[in-house]
Parts: sequence; structure tokens; C-alpha cells
Amino acid sequence: DAGVIQSPRHEVTEMGQEVTLRCKPISGHDYLFWYRQTMMRGLELLIYFNNNVPIDDSGMPEDRFSAKMPNASFSTLKIQPSEPRDSAVYFCASSLGPYSGNTIYFGEGSWLTVV
Amino acid sequence: AQTVTQSQPEMSVQEAETVTLSCTYDTSENNYYLFWYKQPPSRQMILVIRQEAYKQQNATENRFSVNFQKAAKSFSLKISDSQLGDTAMYFCALFTGNTGKLIFGQGTTLQVKP
Repeated sequence: DAGVIQSPRHEVTEMGQEVTLRCKPISGHDYLFWYRQTMMRGLELLIYFNNNVPIDDSGMPEDRFSAKMPNASFSTLKIQPSEPRDSAVYFCASSLGPYSGNTIYFGEGSWLTVV
Repeated sequence: AQTVTQSQPEMSVQEAETVTLSCTYDTSENNYYLFWYKQPPSRQMILVIRQEAYKQQNATENRFSVNFQKAAKSFSLKISDSQLGDTAMYFCALFTGNTGKLIFGQGTTLQVKP
């Protein structure tokens, strides 16, 4: 069974450009999470969805960040305009009802470098 | 507020020996779950072990086991017979039902030496 699939794996972009990160959750999972990992701040939860609906976006750092989930099999995290401090590894994760203690599975991450 | 604290930034162990990684947490919830994730240099997040707070019995997965002390809010990971492939960063994580969030500690970098 395929895991959480993220693209691109690596992206280098110039400051001011728009960045779109993509995620395909595990089929059947109804929860989707976006995390950001940096040396300074560790792993931070940015936003999570349940049944395609954003539930908690309190971790989204600024209005430059937006996330959508148009259907159960696809989500995007967009940064516009990007800044060097956005450089990080962005993880997408999915789960089948984490409230029941089900495991949250992570994708391999998207490494973003903004120069 | 929920918090997870890992007080050991770095640890090392000789191959075949046993090592214990510490984790403490804080939550006012009764229904919660605890996890240890492994992150090798590839950066992939891999689940190592999980523990339901309502279960008294400590979870085990092959060479990995936990010491769950609910009253002390402590959740340590023991790795027995350490292998070179265990070299990675290990994250302790807490999930609570009321927040719907999986919160991570700062991580402990473990190096297994030959």
C-alpha cells in the first residue's frame, strides 16, 4: 500500500516566488496534517484537516501561508511570497481517526530552500 | 497547554548495548496517546512505538520498549541490543483528543558506535 506521497522532494526558489507543496494522503485516511521542521523550532504543526475541512490552522505562521484540501486524496500548502526564513522541511501526514490512537503516518518531506 | 520535553539533545551507545532515551510530557487530558518516532538522516519520520495512556502495560516492539509512568508523566524509550541502523534522531510525541494535535519534543540524536 502506498504511503503518504509528497512533491516536490526538493525545491530551491528565489525570495518572492510562489511555492506550492503537494500531498497525497494514504487512501481512506480522513485526517491530514502539515508540519514544518527547522533546526530552531523543531517540528511544528501548521494546520490539519478532517474530511477535507480545515480544523485548526493556528500554527500557520503568516498570511503568506495557505493550505487547501479540495478532495480526500489531495492537499496543497502554498507560500506566497516566499522568504528565506521559510526554508525548512515540510511534512505531510495522514491518519485514520487519530482520536482512536491510530498512527499518524508521515510522507518523506519536501525540502524547501528559499534564496 | 500540552508540552513534550526531551532533555537529552545527544546520546551515544556502543553497538549491542542498551540505551534509554528520556521524555516527559504535560497534559490535563485523561485520553491521550504517546509515540516515539525515529528520523534517520533521510529525514523520513518512522513510527517506533506507541502507548495508549489508559493501558497500564508498557508497550514493546522487538528491541524497543517503553517505561510509561503516568503519574510522573514520563515516557522513556529503551533500545536493547543497539544496532548501527538505530543511529537517528528520536522524537517523543503526544496526541490529545481535545486538541487533535500531535505535539513533538525537541528530539534526541542517538549515535550507535561500532
